[in-house]
Amino acid sequence: QVQLQESGPGLLKPSQTLSLTCTVSGDSLSGDTYLYNWIRQPAGKGLEWIGRISASGFTIYNPSLSGRVTISVDTSKNQFSLRLTSVTAADTADYYCARGPKPLGVILDWGQGALVTVSS
Amino acid sequence: EIVLTQSPVTLSLSPGERATLSCRASQTVSSTYLGWYQHKPGQAPRLLIHGASNRAPGTPDRFSGSGSGTDFTLTISSLEPEDFAVYYCQQYGSSPYTFGQGTKLEIK
Repeated sequence: QVQLQESGPGLLKPSQTLSLTCTVSGDSLSGDTYLYNWIRQPAGKGLEWIGRISASGFTIYNPSLSGRVTISVDTSKNQFSLRLTSVTAADTADYYCARGPKPLGVILDWGQGALVTVSS
Repeated sequence: EIVLTQSPVTLSLSPGERATLSCRASQTVSSTYLGWYQHKPGQAPRLLIHGASNRAPGTPDRFSGSGSGTDFTLTISSLEPEDFAVYYCQQYGSSPYTFGQGTKLEIK
């Protein structure tokens, strides 16, 4: 059974860069049969799709993040990562990594989520 | 961007009752690309329905999805205690892949 686990710093200061990594276990990323997503949820609010990547590195991002986001993949480590620059308090949220089967992209498997707080 | 509006925001029902949750899109969404998720506090969201009406593996048959175009519905035929949660619809056919704001299903 596949498992996804987020890891990274939980506390950042404004203007810093958020970096999170998702480690996938129980399946190989290099099979290129899934699309790998990042999704976030601010406290008390709904889910926001951040972006996704294929194992071959093709990315799609949410324009609302105005070019601050980069998603990358490392098939040798079975990981994919999120980088969000110039964070503000508005970026405080639970961040989920998740995957869904190609070609549809519906999100089937989720990580447990990682809380990232931006505070001075 | 396709905006999904869910209603009601909160639904108060008792176990055994039928729940009907609505998801309305600002533009036409292909049924192939409409999903429903259940989210409980402290847990990861769980896919219930994909392609508007197809139950995901492990989804009990009391959950059903329907609809097309801009109007979609999630129905829970007879509520079990474990069904009280927040439910989100999502369209994954047109980037950005947006979620509705959620319907909180609470015990009456």
